[in-house]
Amino acid sequence: GAVVSQHPSRVICKSGTSVKIECRSLDFQATTMFWYRQFPKQSLMLMATSNEGSKATYEQGVEKDKFLINHASLTLSTLTVTSAHPEDSSFYICRAGISDNEQFFGPGTRLTVL
Amino acid sequence: GEDVEQSLFLSVREGDSSVINCTYTDSSSTYLYWYKQEPGAGLQLLTYIFSNMDMKQDQRLTVLLNKKDKHLSLRIADTQTGDSAIYFCAEREGGGFKTIFGAGTRLFVKA
Repeated sequence: GAVVSQHPSRVICKSGTSVKIECRSLDFQATTMFWYRQFPKQSLMLMATSNEGSKATYEQGVEKDKFLINHASLTLSTLTVTSAHPEDSSFYICRAGISDNEQFFGPGTRLTVL
Repeated sequence: GEDVEQSLFLSVREGDSSVINCTYTDSSSTYLYWYKQEPGAGLQLLTYIFSNMDMKQDQRLTVLLNKKDKHLSLRIADTQTGDSAIYFCAEREGGGFKTIFGAGTRLFVKA
C-alpha cells in the first residue's frame, strides 16, 4: 500500500537552531500534503497545507516565518522549524494521499528543543 | 469553528466489545473517520464512513453514524490487548480537504 515517510523520526536540538523535517510519499505523487502538530495527550492540530509549486496555506495562529514549508516536488514536502525554542517541542506529523479517502499519515517526528 | 469531541478514556476487558463515541458540529461534513494511534507511532486509518451512510461494518469494526444528532461511534467486537491505543475521530469539512480531529480516546484493554 501507499507509504508516507518522515525523516528524522526523532531530533534533539539546542534552542535557537533550525530543524528541517522531511515528508516523502514513497510510491505515489502528492500535490497536497498536510502538516500537523500533536501535543501530549492532545489531538492533532493542522498547521498548514503544503501545495506543490505554490505557497503553503497556514492555519490561523501558525507563524509562517517560524514554520517554513517547501513543497518542491510531488513526493517531498519539508517543514523547517526556525530558531526553535522549547515550546516548539512536539510531535510533527505529515499526511498525504492519492485521493480523498486514500490518505496516509507519516510516522511522525518527535522534536525536543533543549 | 468546527469541533469534534470524544471521551478521553475507555477501559474494557479482553473479549468484550468496546464502543467509542464521538460528536461533531459540522453538519456539512462529507466523510467521518476513525484513526488508531499506537504509542510513539503515527496515525493509522482504521475506517471511514460517508455522510449519507448510517452504518459500515469491516470485520470486527462497526461504525454507526447518526447524522441528525451528529454522533459517530466505533464498536470493536471481541476486543484484544493489541487494540489498546488511542482512537481519533475526525470529520472532513464539506467542500474542502480540511480534516478536524477529536482529542482521541485512550482505550485500555485488561487481560
